Amino acid sequence: GAVVSQHPSRVICKSGTSVKIECRSLDFQATTMFWYRQFPKQSLMLMATSNEGSKATYEQGVEKDKFLINHASLTLSTLTVTSAHPEDSSFYICSARSGAGNYGYTFGSGTRLTVV
Amino acid sequence: AQSVTQPDIHITVSEGASLELRCNYSYGATPYLFWYVQSPGQGLQLLLKYFSGDTLVQGIKGFEAEFKRSQSSFNLRKPSVHWSDAAEYFCAVALPRGDMRFGAGTRLTVKP
Repeated sequence: GAVVSQHPSRVICKSGTSVKIECRSLDFQATTMFWYRQFPKQSLMLMATSNEGSKATYEQGVEKDKFLINHASLTLSTLTVTSAHPEDSSFYICSARSGAGNYGYTFGSGTRLTVV
Repeated sequence: AQSVTQPDIHITVSEGASLELRCNYSYGATPYLFWYVQSPGQGLQLLLKYFSGDTLVQGIKGFEAEFKRSQSSFNLRKPSVHWSDAAEYFCAVALPRGDMRFGAGTRLTVKP
């Protein structure tokens, strides 16, 4: 079945540095990928929609200059958290739709970001 | 606006007892509905999904869910809960472009 690989699974970074998270569709092409954020004991909230070859679409309240999304190919989307601060510590998870209609909605395994 | 409501933030059941987790959705068209389970510090695991057809959907780990259009509900059930079922459960609706709206989640505690 469709697989989305997300790396790294865990990352600890110092405040003020940048962190890049990768999301790859392994056996299908994903023209669109989605990035979610989950704070502790909360639900998943959509941050942005990543479109191959074009600019990402950000949800209201998400800073596009802080969360840089690049979708350079049909199988890779990256999320870069720039100038990270402790409040950016969260669980970030990507997903992709592996086909039209009622095909699968596949999630990556998530990235636990801790900013110290 | 599309939304998903899970009325129960936390449920505690005894091991071996039956379980029902509630989910209500607000969506104009026929929704694609999902239930996911998440253990602490882990990603999401798909339990089951409903796209169309039979309104009673069977999933993994002995879970099932019933889609009731008249009640805008998609409740998750399990006849006999195991201690390993303790986790956070999320109901979600897929939107046309492929993203999802998640409910707030229900934390399940299983008493021995």
